[in-house]
Amino acid sequence: AQTVTQSQPEMSVQEAETVTLSCTYDTSENNYYLFWYKQPPSRQMILVIRQEAYKQQNATENRFSVNFQKAAKSFSLKISDSQLGDTAMYFCAFFSSGSARQLTFGSGTQLTVLP
Amino acid sequence: GAGVSQSPSNKVTEKGKDVELRCDPISGHTALYWYRQSLGQGLEFLIYFQGNSAPDKSGLPSDRFSAERTGGSVSTLTIQRTQQEDSAVYLCASSLLLAGAANTGELFFGEGSRLTVL
Repeated sequence: AQTVTQSQPEMSVQEAETVTLSCTYDTSENNYYLFWYKQPPSRQMILVIRQEAYKQQNATENRFSVNFQKAAKSFSLKISDSQLGDTAMYFCAFFSSGSARQLTFGSGTQLTVLP
Repeated sequence: GAGVSQSPSNKVTEKGKDVELRCDPISGHTALYWYRQSLGQGLEFLIYFQGNSAPDKSGLPSDRFSAERTGGSVSTLTIQRTQQEDSAVYLCASSLLLAGAANTGELFFGEGSRLTVL
């Protein structure tokens, strides 16, 4: 079974600064996908960024980028130029279409952007 | 619809009562998931529907929980004889799985139904 670990329950960052959220996972699969989802107070989960395990290049989406270290099973999210609207719970998630076809989530990191 | 729609948004019930939570997925999405999110916790997988295949019920915590999906679209999650530990936000998500394509796992979530059992 896959497990996803987020070791930072809470983090804060000053507006306009950069912050990195950590995520590690454990799997015996070789082909899989990793995600970061954002959950603002409205409760709706929003996809932030996705990484395919077979791609060596780290995914980027505007101010969001990942550092994917496959051998280390690490998948961190970097948020640059943090904005107040980035305040949310961030979840790391794992998906493998070769096994159980469901997302496995970490426990989340509550990020607060301070003005 | 434009997104995944869930109802009710909030539900307060008494211990021992049955509740039904509804999910209307994005039109055309073949896969539908239910997750449970307890206060301050991550998401716990409950059940997964894919097309006409038998659902994956491996995440249902007890036989008080059941779900159905009618006509490959709307789904209802039913909790019988509710207990206080059932209090949580129940999230529904859907995804599009094209025939012959690998499922990339990108899910689209609703805003959830917050259940409070007194």
